[in-house]
Amino acid sequence: EDKVVQSPLSLVVHEGDTVTLNCSYEVTNFRSLLWYKQEKKAPTFLFMLTSSGIEKKSGRLSSILDKKELSSILNITATQTGDSAIYLCAALAQGGSEKLVFGKGTKLTVNP
Amino acid sequence: DAGVIQSPRHEVTEMGQEVTLRCKPISGHNSLFWYRQTMMRGLELLIYFNNNVPIDDSGMPEDRFSAKMPNASFSTLKIQPSEPRDSAVYFCASSFGVRQGEHFGDGTRLSIL
Repeated sequence: EDKVVQSPLSLVVHEGDTVTLNCSYEVTNFRSLLWYKQEKKAPTFLFMLTSSGIEKKSGRLSSILDKKELSSILNITATQTGDSAIYLCAALAQGGSEKLVFGKGTKLTVNP
Repeated sequence: DAGVIQSPRHEVTEMGQEVTLRCKPISGHNSLFWYRQTMMRGLELLIYFNNNVPIDDSGMPEDRFSAKMPNASFSTLKIQPSEPRDSAVYFCASSFGVRQGEHFGDGTRLSIL
């Protein structure tokens, strides 16, 4: 059974801290890994990672995939209160299937 | 651009009642997904359609749940009869392939009393 596991489940930090969120996956015919940010409503797309070792960056957020370790990390530097959210990781299998398998998420709280 | 539109935003009803959730995907998207999110189980895929055809409904909990997509611009998820354990946020998402990730609607918060 395909599964995605995220850690930690919850994290509380102070503004300015750097955080690292972890995601590991076991997916048949893995193709890509995606990260989403969910605030009050719907998840919004952050990154899609397909190649191992290539960092994707958007402002203070960055992410990298390690296919040997079947894992990915999401880094957030100089955190702000607006970064408080649930961060979801999802794995996509290849072979015509379009569905994503999601982890349960990491709830990040950034305190002022 | 209009995103994925779901209705209703909130629904509170008594157990045993029929519940119908509605979704309008982004125009031009050919894949549509129904998800359920709870604290205990996180985000779970219930069913997805490609070109209006159900491709994988293995996530549908039981026969009380059914989903239809009569055309490219509309889908419904129906629960009949509803039970308290069905209480969750139900998301609809659409995509054209998964090149940039699925686009989610704002969800329907369903409470079954």
